[in-house]
Amino acid sequence: SQTIHQWPATLVQPVGSPLSLECTVEGTSNPNLYWYRQAAGRGLQLLFYSVGIGQISSEVPQNLSASRPQDRQFILSSKKLLLSDSGFYLCAQVAPGHNEQFFGPGTRLTVL
Amino acid sequence: GQNIDQPTEMTATEGAIVQINCTYQTSGFNGLFWYQQHAGEAPTFLSYNVLDGLEEKGRFSSFLSRSKGYSYLLLKELQMKDSASYLCAARNYGGATNKLIFGTGTLLAVQP
Repeated sequence: SQTIHQWPATLVQPVGSPLSLECTVEGTSNPNLYWYRQAAGRGLQLLFYSVGIGQISSEVPQNLSASRPQDRQFILSSKKLLLSDSGFYLCAQVAPGHNEQFFGPGTRLTVL
Repeated sequence: GQNIDQPTEMTATEGAIVQINCTYQTSGFNGLFWYQQHAGEAPTFLSYNVLDGLEEKGRFSSFLSRSKGYSYLLLKELQMKDSASYLCAARNYGGATNKLIFGTGTLLAVQP
């Protein structure tokens, strides 16, 4: 079965500090991977997606970046966090030949 | 443009039936998804429709009309644990990307 791991589960960071959130996938090869952000009381916003190693597409301009150094690893980063970066960050994957997009447990980020 | 509309909140009674509607406008429709999200948790996949008609899965059913840009999620024999946010998402045709556009979700409160 397919499993998605995200860490950390929660994070409190000061404004201006760097960020690194990690997502790893088990049980499938060459998945499509996605990073979403869900702000309080709002819908899911797609930030980045990747169809393969080193291939990253950005959906919205922002101070975040993403990387996919390995097939099953997806990293979300920032050099300097903003207050507006607070939210629930979700990693998701779609296995090859499948339609369903499955989500990891998420990381709740609070920027103070 | 792309837009997903669904009611913000709904209330229903335990044991009853509730229908959550969703209308969508996308540039190249390729499937409609429903997710359930409990407070503080990640969304979990409920259903996927790509052809017109009703898909039944236990107490949950999902309907799609592509000509009307309309879908609904039907929950039968409501239980208290069904209290959650229900997210409607449309997939745009985009080759291998499988990108989803999410609505802001319908918060369902099931009362005794």
